[in-house]
Amino acid sequence: LAKTTQPISMDSYEGQEVNITCSHNNIATNDYITWYQQFPSQGPRFIIQGYKTKVTNEVASLFIPADRKSSTLSLPRVSLSDTAVYYCLVGPLEGGYNKLIFGAGTRLAVHP
Amino acid sequence: ETGVTQTPRHLVMGMTNKKSLKCEQHLGHNAMYWYKQSAKKPLELMFVYSLEERVENNSVPSRFSPECPNSSHLFLHLHTLQPEDSALYLCASSQERGVVIQYFGAGTRLSVL
Repeated sequence: LAKTTQPISMDSYEGQEVNITCSHNNIATNDYITWYQQFPSQGPRFIIQGYKTKVTNEVASLFIPADRKSSTLSLPRVSLSDTAVYYCLVGPLEGGYNKLIFGAGTRLAVHP
Repeated sequence: ETGVTQTPRHLVMGMTNKKSLKCEQHLGHNAMYWYKQSAKKPLELMFVYSLEERVENNSVPSRFSPECPNSSHLFLHLHTLQPEDSALYLCASSQERGVVIQYFGAGTRLSVL
């Protein structure tokens, strides 16, 4: 499975746009990319998922370049409640349900 | 509310106790997972069940014993635990096939004294 690398931590201020990049240099053709958010003492929560180009939902956008060796989670106009750990996972379209690995994630701190 | 319910939310037990963690999902999923998350560490996958059969056991000590009686329920039986087993235990569920999105419960905070 493709290994992912994310920054350990990031700081931002309320109202700013935050971009968190994940590197996955050995991503396979049939791999997709998923991002989760985790608040302290809670389980991770699904944010967004994509395979290529750009995906947008009501919470975030996911940008994936043509070579798919990285992806960027974009959080528009963050608030204090966006302070959390964000995880990037890479997994196959089929047969990968039992091999998804959560890395250390990126700890985002949003300041007033 | 994620559709995955874990009980209890908090548990304190001695090293000689036997206790069980319970997980129930109302999403119609056919795969369920147990994860362990120690302080400031990544989630560690412990067990995976698909259609009530264990398909993954990531070298977890035998003092942790999972049970999956049906596709909606998952248990983690605990006995003779060690203080280093204190952690947040998370249950998740997903579909087995296709693009996987895991839905997590709120977790059980376990303290072993």
